[in-house]
Amino acid sequence: GAGVSQSPSNKVTEKGKDVELRCDPISGHTALYWYRQSLGQGLEFLIYFQGNSAPDKSGLPSDRFSAERTGGSVSTLTIQRTQQEDSAVYLCASTLAGWNEQFFGPGTRLTVL
Amino acid sequence: AQRVTQPEKLLSVFKGAPVELKCNYSYSGSPELFWYVQYSRQRLQLLLRHISRESIKGFTADLNKGETSFHLKKPFAQEEDSAMYYCALSSYAGNMLTFGGGTRLMVKP
Repeated sequence: GAGVSQSPSNKVTEKGKDVELRCDPISGHTALYWYRQSLGQGLEFLIYFQGNSAPDKSGLPSDRFSAERTGGSVSTLTIQRTQQEDSAVYLCASTLAGWNEQFFGPGTRLTVL
Repeated sequence: AQRVTQPEKLLSVFKGAPVELKCNYSYSGSPELFWYVQYSRQRLQLLLRHISRESIKGFTADLNKGETSFHLKKPFAQEEDSAMYYCALSSYAGNMLTFGGGTRLMVKP
């Protein structure tokens, strides 16, 4: 079956613009995670959705970052008023509830000029 | 707070040599520990988890609660083992992962 997919694969934007990153998890996976992979900070957790529960937003670096998950499936990560330090690879992962292994997507490489 | 430390950013060995990638963690409870691997131009994937006590691609990792370590070992490195390796911790199954900074393993012919 298909794995986790993310779009776009690359996004170049200008400082101050808003961007939306999309994640399609594996069908049936109830848990969905966003991480950020950057040179200076390594792999950082951003936000976690589990079923219908309120998301764990504890990793979001600022209020410019937000995410939603519609219908328990697709998720969109939105970054408003992008800054150069937002440049990174944004990774999405999904898994079954209570399962150990997270399945990662290929990532979206965001470059803020 | 939970923290994972991988002291080596780069580890370079010759083919056939033993490999040990170090991982130390800090967490007040009983964590779940993982090793994830990212091969060149591939997505991040699970290599092994401590609760399975399994050997994958010749790699093993033992959780040492006394030393709060979860080092990854392989007796004879292969060129195809060259990749980026991340140690990760979760407070319970399904929760978010806290990653170490990663170690790039280069296996030279």
